[in-house]
Amino acid sequence: SAVISQKPSRDICQRGTSLTIQCQVDSQVTMMFWYRQQPGQSLTLIATANQGSEATYESGFVIDKFPISRPNLTFSTLTVSNMSPEDSSIYLCSVYTKGKETSTDTQYFGPGTRLTVL
Amino acid sequence: LAKTTQPISMDSYEGQEVNITCSHNNIATNDYITWYQQFPSQGPRFIIQGYKTKVTNEVASLFIPADRKSSTLSLPRVSLSDTAVYYCLVGEDDYKLSFGAGTTVTVRA
Repeated sequence: SAVISQKPSRDICQRGTSLTIQCQVDSQVTMMFWYRQQPGQSLTLIATANQGSEATYESGFVIDKFPISRPNLTFSTLTVSNMSPEDSSIYLCSVYTKGKETSTDTQYFGPGTRLTVL
Repeated sequence: LAKTTQPISMDSYEGQEVNITCSHNNIATNDYITWYQQFPSQGPRFIIQGYKTKVTNEVASLFIPADRKSSTLSLPRVSLSDTAVYYCLVGEDDYKLSFGAGTTVTVRA
């Protein structure tokens, strides 16, 4: 299993500014992911961030808007750039690793960062 | 990824068994069925995963018929703390998850 922390837990930002969200894992993991959950909605995968390679973005998400860093196997950042009110969401990171609950690998999620853009 | 369909919401009372059925008609041979639980203001949490027949752990049971076109998550004797959104996901690899709308389960006293 993995314990994941995110900073900040929540923030209120002004339109046009940028926010960097940090994700820290208590063990080394290869695969890390960033999701967005808009109010009242389900989760949408933004990108896959593997250490040593460029992040892979899903349709509808671009690097200029959501730059990602993955400097090592326990840490990643997601930046939400040039924010608008439509970016108000919960942003979650997750890792794919071996779990205690199953003999197969599965995903563990962080607590999320609640972002409000005014 | 196979598309899943599950009820939008379910209501129950404490002590009852809750069964959530998920339809996945286009499930592929190599696909697993995985269920996640999400409490308000938290990230999703893995509950159970299965491929066929029945899987049980300390939290829930997962029933999968022979044709694998559906699956049922069973939560025994729910309590108020089981109020959450439950997501059914189907895929070959657990590392690229496609979340549907989920089922909001509300447990009342």
